[in-house]
Amino acid sequence: DTAVSQTPKYLVTQMGNDKSIKCEQNLGHDTMYWYKQDSKKFLKIMFSYNNKELIINETVPNRFSPKSPDKAHLNLHINSLELGDSAVYFCASSQGTGSKNQPQHFGDGTRLSIL
Amino acid sequence: DQQVKQNSPSLSVQEGRISILNCDYTNSMFDYFLWYKKYPAEGPTFLISISSIKDKNEDGRFTVFLNKSAKHLSLHIVPSQPGDSAVYFCAASLNYQLIWGAGTKLIIKP
Repeated sequence: DTAVSQTPKYLVTQMGNDKSIKCEQNLGHDTMYWYKQDSKKFLKIMFSYNNKELIINETVPNRFSPKSPDKAHLNLHINSLELGDSAVYFCASSQGTGSKNQPQHFGDGTRLSIL
Repeated sequence: DQQVKQNSPSLSVQEGRISILNCDYTNSMFDYFLWYKKYPAEGPTFLISISSIKDKNEDGRFTVFLNKSAKHLSLHIVPSQPGDSAVYFCAASLNYQLIWGAGTKLIIKP
């Protein structure tokens, strides 16, 4: 059984479009995250939700809007896609805040390519 | 400004020998350190962690050492196996956020 699943796995679209990436976890965790892995392979936190409430909101363009309909889902909507948005986006979940003895569990990533 | 650095982009080790992956950090306020392993086209998976109040944590073939005075930690894998070939990320915890290194690609040679 997949613990953290993201869809789609690959997303190729044109500049200016609006797209969404979905994430679901079946681990019963109360915290979910979105990360962006850039071309230099760094994983950078974008957002974190705990019990459907936003707790981390790093400096990302407001074209990126997370939505958490319930504890098991955290979707990422991106408006007016730009070339620089091309990256791999990872969803993760954890029980509590994900450090210490409660590590984060990751999905397999969504590879977004902007033409 | 990179707070967590993995200075070796890649490392090649003979099967059966010890693999040592290194990580340096700059912020003395980090309270926990974690190692993750990542295969291609998959997400990172948690491997082992260590609290900042300890200097060693062991789990099977994996041992993490922390040297707080040097702001350095290392992951030892012994003996190395072909399935250990992957990218290894070091991450540090601060204010409930994880700060990640860029990863080291470990290649285990038969």
